[in-house]
Amino acid sequence: GEDVEQSLFLSVREGDSSVINCTYTDSSSTYLYWYKQEPGAGLQLLTYIFSNMDMKQDQRLTVLLNKKDKHLSLRIADTQTGDSAIYFCAEGGDLFSGGYNKLIFGAGTRLAVHP
Amino acid sequence: DSGVTQTPKHLITATGQRVTLRCSPRSGDLSVYWYQQSLDQGLQFLIQYYNGEERAKGNILERFSAQQFPDLHSELNLSSLELGDSALYFCASSPDRRDLTDTQYFGPGTRLTVL
Repeated sequence: GEDVEQSLFLSVREGDSSVINCTYTDSSSTYLYWYKQEPGAGLQLLTYIFSNMDMKQDQRLTVLLNKKDKHLSLRIADTQTGDSAIYFCAEGGDLFSGGYNKLIFGAGTRLAVHP
Repeated sequence: DSGVTQTPKHLITATGQRVTLRCSPRSGDLSVYWYQQSLDQGLQFLIQYYNGEERAKGNILERFSAQQFPDLHSELNLSSLELGDSALYFCASSPDRRDLTDTQYFGPGTRLTVL
């Protein structure tokens, strides 16, 4: 079945790099996503990676995908206090979905950034 | 701002009642998705509409229903409410065109409290 797993909590010092990990089960997913949720707010799309890519970099964010192990990670360089939030990994998406495109979310990793 | 709007932001009601949540997708997006976020179940896909038609169903209770109107806005109807229906309900939209990465953009959510 479809399942996405993440560790629930990560604490880092300001200025360090954060690495949030995720494993998924559905190898047919076309895209893998990272969303950010700040307290009391909605889900903000951070980045996504196409399933035939190994890496994607977007400013301070680096996404690594190991398709063989079905492992996805999000690295945030120079982590700031404003990065404190819950980060959700999600799988889904089909380039030719024709409308069949639900996302399966992990439970979310709460990132705490301390001085 | 994702461009997806949801109303109301907060809703407090009693058990047994019925409520309607409203979502307006981003301009040009054809698909609307509804998700429920609760403490015990996490973020779960409920239902998807594409250009007015139901396309996919997830863990949506029979007491819940949705529709998408000709102007592409969508409503989620929750009836015979129970305490356990208290949650944050998100709407998302995506273009769902074959020439675009079909990324889902989320609204700010409606927080439903059932007393």
